[in-house]
Amino acid sequence: DIQMTQAPSSLSASVGDRVTITCRASQTIAYYLNWYQQKPGRAPNLLISAASRLQSGVPSRFSGSGSGTFFTLTISSLQPEDFATYYCQQSYTTPLTFGGGTKVQIK
Amino acid sequence: QVHLVESGGGVVQPGRSLRLSCVVSGFTGTSYGMHWVRQAPGKGLEWVAIIAYDGSNEYYADSVKGRFTISRDNSKNTLYLQMNSLRREDTAVYYCAETTGSGNSLDVWGQGTTVTVSS
Repeated sequence: DIQMTQAPSSLSASVGDRVTITCRASQTIAYYLNWYQQKPGRAPNLLISAASRLQSGVPSRFSGSGSGTFFTLTISSLQPEDFATYYCQQSYTTPLTFGGGTKVQIK
Repeated sequence: QVHLVESGGGVVQPGRSLRLSCVVSGFTGTSYGMHWVRQAPGKGLEWVAIIAYDGSNEYYADSVKGRFTISRDNSKNTLYLQMNSLRREDTAVYYCAETTGSGNSLDVWGQGTTVTVSS
């Protein structure tokens, strides 16, 4: 199985900060990497697919990059509604696997 | 706008069975596959199973292989997860999700249904 390692597991940031979350795959997954946002008590929501494809309705302050084994999710200017947990997920092969999550908290 | 609604969760004793359902409504367009994903209390997301749009292929996480069966009835726009030989570690919120593109991203999610395995 492909292991997905996210870093950090949690971070504290202020509104307006630039935040970067990394995701590393245990083997190459080309660009088959997706990012999700989950707020407490809610289902996850797809933010970015195929490493860098922003989903319709997702603010442009979110961006994704990377290929192969290393990927990043960047929030250019953190907003109050962005405080949540973020997960990466590889869709290169089954079993599909998620990273452990990054909880973004208010500083 | 596609809308997914899960049902069937509840409290069940270890070793017993439960069947979850997920009704798909709204404009579905092209569906590449449907999934079940679960989240144990306070934990991260765990992918459980996928079934192709026509039901021709299924894949499972090792943790549920041989115990869980995913199926779909397209005439009823419904996805199922038959869960047998339930264990305490199967306790989780179970989400259904749909892949509407070719990359196996989980594009649309239901709100989840809670399964608690406890004696």
